[in-house]
Amino acid sequence: AQRVTQPEKLLSVFKGAPVELKCNYSYSGSPELFWYVQYSRQRLQLLLRHISRESIKGFTADLNKGETSFHLKKPFAQEEDSAMYYCALSYGGAQKLVFGQGTRLTINP
Amino acid sequence: SAVISQKPSRDICQRGTSLTIQCQVDSQVTMMFWYRQQPGQSLTLIATANQGSEATYESGFVIDKFPISRPNLTFSTLTVSNMSPEDSSIYLCSGMDRDGGYTFGSGTRLTVV
Repeated sequence: AQRVTQPEKLLSVFKGAPVELKCNYSYSGSPELFWYVQYSRQRLQLLLRHISRESIKGFTADLNKGETSFHLKKPFAQEEDSAMYYCALSYGGAQKLVFGQGTRLTINP
Repeated sequence: SAVISQKPSRDICQRGTSLTIQCQVDSQVTMMFWYRQQPGQSLTLIATANQGSEATYESGFVIDKFPISRPNLTFSTLTVSNMSPEDSSIYLCSGMDRDGGYTFGSGTRLTVV
């Protein structure tokens, strides 16, 4: 079955430090992977999708098929990055999304 | 990308009653979905809302408990029927547009007392 694992429920780093939020997936086919972010009192919004290979708000994520990972990285964390981050996988013809458990990122001043 | 309006944003309901949640999309989306987010948990897909036909439910979710309608490409409703405290959750709708991007509603926070 398709599964997305985010091993860290909570992650706390200092402002200016590098950030890496881990995401691993299990899927036998070709997945499409996303990172979604939810800031306080806001709706869930798309941060990145692997096929676009963009850098949004300084975040990047590379799909590693060998390690079945899609870790989210940012070299220098900012306080406004504090939020809940979800990794998600879209699969199959039905294109349903499966979400990881989420990681709450806190950036300390 | 599409913008989704979802209402109500929250409600407190008596057990045994039903609540209907509405989602309106400002442009056409190819797929619409309904998710549940229980307290402290991630999002779980309830069903895919199909235009003009019965929704496709995920394992563990049934039509009698969560009837869904999608009369056109931009509108869908989810009803939570015969509610119990275990149904207290955030319910979200989502739309997928033609380039494969997903947009989410702001969610409905349901408390059953």
